[in-house]
Amino acid sequence: DGGITQSPKYLFRKEGQNVTLSCEQNLNHDAMYWYRQDPGQGLRLIYYSQIVNDFQKGDIAEGYSVSREKKESFPLTVTSAQKNPTAFYLCASSIFGLAENEQFFGPGTRLTVL
Amino acid sequence: QQQVKQSPQSLIVQKGGISIINCAYENTAFDYFPWYQQFPGKGPALLIAIRPDVSEKKEGRFTISFNKSAKQFSLHIMDSQPGDSATYFCAASPRGDNQGGKLIFGQGTELSVKP
Repeated sequence: DGGITQSPKYLFRKEGQNVTLSCEQNLNHDAMYWYRQDPGQGLRLIYYSQIVNDFQKGDIAEGYSVSREKKESFPLTVTSAQKNPTAFYLCASSIFGLAENEQFFGPGTRLTVL
Repeated sequence: QQQVKQSPQSLIVQKGGISIINCAYENTAFDYFPWYQQFPGKGPALLIAIRPDVSEKKEGRFTISFNKSAKQFSLHIMDSQPGDSATYFCAASPRGDNQGGKLIFGQGTELSVKP
């Protein structure tokens, strides 16, 4: 089955710790995205990548980092610099990273900072 | 200018009724407007999308109406069903290959269809 997988589904972190969220896709898509979802605020773009070894900051990149070493993988690290990391994190991919290309979303990771 | 404003925040409709969700934007560089549907605990999925060169697009019970001059667009769900109960997000994407196809989302509307 083709699709996007995110792991883990739930993640708990102590304050001051970095944590990495996994996102893998087997759709052979060039573009990948990370969004953060908070109640009443919709989805906000953290980082996106149109091609391997290249990525761009989105609207709320502070406190986050990413890498794109392989086409199918786009991990997101939530660093201790992120002041309010508790949220639902969604990864998405699209075939070419153009406006009209549908974005396919993974099931999400819910991060809670204790 | 990058914002997309969505209303209402929540909506309750009787089964068989019409659900209407509205969105407005400021940035004239937006040229693709999708709607996504999200069920609890899941990622969003594309429902329907429109380009600004048409004023309306219909797919089954779902219709997007687009008013380019007013910079507004709306989603109409005809004959709403309890299975339509979900959160709906409008979005907009700026033109240009260097924009990466990124989406600017509205705040979301939680729709509940009562039987």
